[in-house]
Formats: sequence, structure tokens, C-alpha cells
Amino acid sequence: DQQVKQNSPSLSVQEGRISILNCDYTNSMFDYFLWYKKYPAEGPTFLISISSIKDKNEDGRFTVFLNKSAKHLSLHIVPSQPGDSAVYFCAVNNQAGTALIFGKGTTLSVSS
Amino acid sequence: NAGVTQTPKFQVLKTGQSMTLQCAQDMNHNSMYWYRQDPGMGLRLIYYSASEGTTDKGEVPNGYNVSRLNKREFSLRLESAAPSQTSVYFCASSEGGTNTDTQYFGPGTRLTVL
Repeated sequence: DQQVKQNSPSLSVQEGRISILNCDYTNSMFDYFLWYKKYPAEGPTFLISISSIKDKNEDGRFTVFLNKSAKHLSLHIVPSQPGDSAVYFCAVNNQAGTALIFGKGTTLSVSS
Repeated sequence: NAGVTQTPKFQVLKTGQSMTLQCAQDMNHNSMYWYRQDPGMGLRLIYYSASEGTTDKGEVPNGYNVSRLNKREFSLRLESAAPSQTSVYFCASSEGGTNTDTQYFGPGTRLTVL
């Protein structure tokens, strides 16, 4: 039973446009959320995070939005670049802080 | 500053063979983790070590053992490899101790069990 769901396995976007990646979670007690980016043959790289006390966190071209009532978060990339093509994982920190629970990932392809 | 390093990068085993995956971090982190990633799946936690001298089971610990050798090193052992353990294995580390922890990952070990 998945606690973190990324329902879109893939997303294709043109360079310069906005990419929106979505993530849903089941446990309303989760309070810290992260996005990781993964290139082939490499480990996941931390991208951006958000605490449940916020509804938005921004870092350059990347913005994460959190909707606690809907148990939904999204990652916006503006403008998208070909180098952003990767697998994006949504993750939540379990309440004990001892593990990350990952979604299955969304493969983003940005075409020039 | 190498971050998290893992050896080997690739390994092929026959069913029943044993091996140890090595992981080291140079960030003075307290907590270390082992995950596996299967095709079309997210990463799943095998074992973790919240601090030097402690280890605990994660979501999928069966068939694995771990050793937290010191603060820097955390190894994962397969005593009798099975084809179901074919996967990519990632080690991670974090400062630990809070639920706002950020984990940092190594490059992975791709393991095939025939």
C-alpha cells in the first residue's frame, strides 16, 4: 500500500515551458517533504524540500507547493531546460526521522 | 570532499554466493542507510544506522545483514544471494536526529544475481 504516490510515470515538456510534477501522500502526520532528482547510473540528488508549516518553498527555477488539506505536493520547474531531463522522486521523512519513503518517480523529458 | 562513496559499482553473482557492499561518507554524518531500487519502483529502505553502534531493520531487510564499522563506514552483506536480490543498491547518509533530515546518496551498486 503506497504511502507516497506519483501517478504520472512520465512527462514531456518543451524547453522554456513549465514542468509540473505531482505527488500525493496518505498520512496526514507526515510533515517534511523532499524532491530528489536522479540521472541514469547516478544516485539521487537532493533538489528541494518543504516543511508542513509552509505552503511554498522556492529555490531558483524550482518551487515546491504543499497543499496539506489535499495531501498533495507539486514541483514546478520554470523555465524547463534539457538538462532537467531526469527521474524525479517525491519523498517524505517518516515521523521518527529514520527513513525516507519514496514515490515511484516521474521521468521528465525536456526537448529543445 | 567525496560525499558518499560505494564499492563496487557493478557486481555479478551466482545464486548462493555471498558478497559485501561497502559504503563510506566523509561528511561526519551520524546516520547511514541502505536502499534498493527495482525497475519502476521507488527506493526502499533495507537497513539503517541512526548512529555509530546501532542498526535497525527497514522495509525490506530479509536476506541482508549490515555492519556499522565506524562513523564513516556502513556495509551491507548478502550471505546467500538470490535472483530476487538483483537490484541497484544505494547507500545514503544524513546528520540524523530530526525529522527534517536530508539524506545524501552515493552513486549506487548495480548487482545482478544469476
